[in-house]
Amino acid sequence: NAGVTQTPKFQVLKTGQSMTLQCAQDMNHEYMSWYRQDPGMGLRLIHYSVGAGITDQGEVPNGYNVSRSTTEDFPLRLLSAAPSQTSVYFCASKTVSGASTDTQYFGPGTRLTVL
Amino acid sequence: AQTVTQSQPEMSVQEAETVTLSCTYDTSENNYYLFWYKQPPSRQMILVIRQEAYKQQNATENRFSVNFQKAAKSFSLKISDSQLGDTAMYFCAFMKEGNAGNMLTFGGGTRLMVKP
Repeated sequence: NAGVTQTPKFQVLKTGQSMTLQCAQDMNHEYMSWYRQDPGMGLRLIHYSVGAGITDQGEVPNGYNVSRSTTEDFPLRLLSAAPSQTSVYFCASKTVSGASTDTQYFGPGTRLTVL
Repeated sequence: AQTVTQSQPEMSVQEAETVTLSCTYDTSENNYYLFWYKQPPSRQMILVIRQEAYKQQNATENRFSVNFQKAAKSFSLKISDSQLGDTAMYFCAFMKEGNAGNMLTFGGGTRLMVKP
């Protein structure tokens, strides 16, 4: 199992550009989520999904879109990048059934810089 | 809404000694989970230890143990026999129980430096 994978690892954008951060998991997890981590702070939830076709907003959703067309993939789209979106982005997944429903698995993160 | 507070932005400890990281939280929930995550310079989020709120017994994982005080809403992490590889950011996190409680709420983190 590769676990949770994220691409790219690093990205630099100019203000106003759009891009998609990719996230995939091979553990058949129903729940997937995106967090951002700003310097000196813990992770904050952007969007999450409890299954294919279902998404919802987290704590800091503005400026981001998500979709979940398959169980495996959960891309995060920045529509018009702003310097305030400079951050490290983490994708996470977990199962919602069975013995380990509380354990979230994190990807390695994407460091995004918006100039 | 839940909040998690880590009052120690930075700590240091000598190799082989013991250090305790503090965490307090605020919630009206009765059933929930608490976690400590380690984030080394590689940025990877690594689960260190977890505690179910309904369990009175404190969780232990090798050199890592917690002191869970539910009434006081306190969840500290003790690292025994500190090793250089323990140098990292440590985050305390809260999650409600149940399918609706999938969101993790994180504290601001404590940067731990283990000195040789």
